[in-house]
Amino acid sequence: SQQGEEDPQALSIQEGENATMNCSYKTSINNLQWYRQNSGRGLVHLILIRSNEREKHSGRLRVTLDTSKKSSSLLITASRAADTASYFCAISEGNTGKLIFGQGTTLQVKP
Amino acid sequence: EAQVTQNPRYLITVTGKKLTVTCSQNMNHEYMSWYRQDPGLGLRQIYYSMNVEVTDKGDVPEGYKVSRKEKRNFPLILESPSPNQTSLYFCASHETEYTEAFFGQGTRLTVV
Repeated sequence: SQQGEEDPQALSIQEGENATMNCSYKTSINNLQWYRQNSGRGLVHLILIRSNEREKHSGRLRVTLDTSKKSSSLLITASRAADTASYFCAISEGNTGKLIFGQGTTLQVKP
Repeated sequence: EAQVTQNPRYLITVTGKKLTVTCSQNMNHEYMSWYRQDPGLGLRQIYYSMNVEVTDKGDVPEGYKVSRKEKRNFPLILESPSPNQTSLYFCASHETEYTEAFFGQGTRLTVV
């Protein structure tokens, strides 16, 4: 199955800096979603971008989608220590509601 | 408050002892799924349900059963747990097949 692949696997930055995470996939999608997971806890939905959209913003988050390159990026601006978490992209495929998750990027924001 | 509730949060059990992890959502969502999360393997779908009495296998259904008798509940059943089912399990629901998923807090299961 087409699994989202994320890059980098781990990222460490200072508070106030921007963090960029990338996700690539292999086939057609309905939409692409980004989730955050704090250590060992449930996933929280951040943003959904449809296949016919190119960019979407939500607060300090900016997501881009390039369907020709089959890739997406998540930018977190002006990062805070509270942004420390794992971030996952998930591809919505077919009509079953199934989400296919990438391996995730672990972000550490140092105060 | 819109939420997906899983119970228990933590469970240690022995091989072969049947167990059920409950999942309930209060958002009237049609779609519900179970995922397991393992280091290095990410989240993988176990089973999903598109409506009451409609369930189907995900990517890793072996050793699991589900039922969807009511819209709000989607329990995960392990008839004869084995150590390779030690994992972190998540229940999720969403309104349609194209909308975001709401996840429960997870159930950390250890089978010894």
